Amino acid sequence: GESVGLHLPTLSVQEGDNSIINCAYSNSASDYFIWYKQESGKGPQFIIDIRSNMDKRQGQRVTVLLNKTVKHLSLQIAATQPGDSAVYFCAETFSGSARQLTFGSGTQLTVLP
Amino acid sequence: ETGVTQSPTHLIKTRGQQVTLRCSSQSGHNTVSWYQQALGQGPQFIFQYYREEENGRGNFPPRFSGLQFPNYSSELNVNALELDDSALYLCASSRELGGTDTQYFGPGTRLTVL
Repeated sequence: GESVGLHLPTLSVQEGDNSIINCAYSNSASDYFIWYKQESGKGPQFIIDIRSNMDKRQGQRVTVLLNKTVKHLSLQIAATQPGDSAVYFCAETFSGSARQLTFGSGTQLTVLP
Repeated sequence: ETGVTQSPTHLIKTRGQQVTLRCSSQSGHNTVSWYQQALGQGPQFIFQYYREEENGRGNFPPRFSGLQFPNYSSELNVNALELDDSALYLCASSRELGGTDTQYFGPGTRLTVL
């Protein structure tokens, strides 16, 4: 079946460096994508979203890039801080699916001092 | 904080028992979705409620059922609990059915089945 997957299960970066978390999706009908951050013992926290009619969207310190040709999504975090340490999930959804989110397995980001 | 609340925070049950989990949606949100998150995995969609009716269901058996109330709060009921039901149960609320409004998650209920 269709699924969303992440390329790397873990990522360690030095504090102050930029982080890039990648995600592959396989459902060509997906038209809305979201990145969530989940800290230990908490629910997923919305970070940024992007619709399929866009290639790039920027937020505060975060940028999401969407490449529909190769079905690839990435999350860039600028000047990574210790508070960014968490598991990051990408999720996809499409119209007509009750907007159910399909999540990947997540990437653990660890920020080193 | 998202404004989505869930209760209880933690719950321990034994096999065969029944459990009810509760969720209050964010103010202004009329749609509630439930997800199951096993340890080390991403959340899996259980079902969604809109205007007190189920609107979409994932690959979960009928012993997973739910309700939505006029104030948009929701319950998830699981009958005949199995060991594999041990997970974090998350609810998420959104403003518009079928739109691309973001789903905001609550803190979850950690269910342990012994």
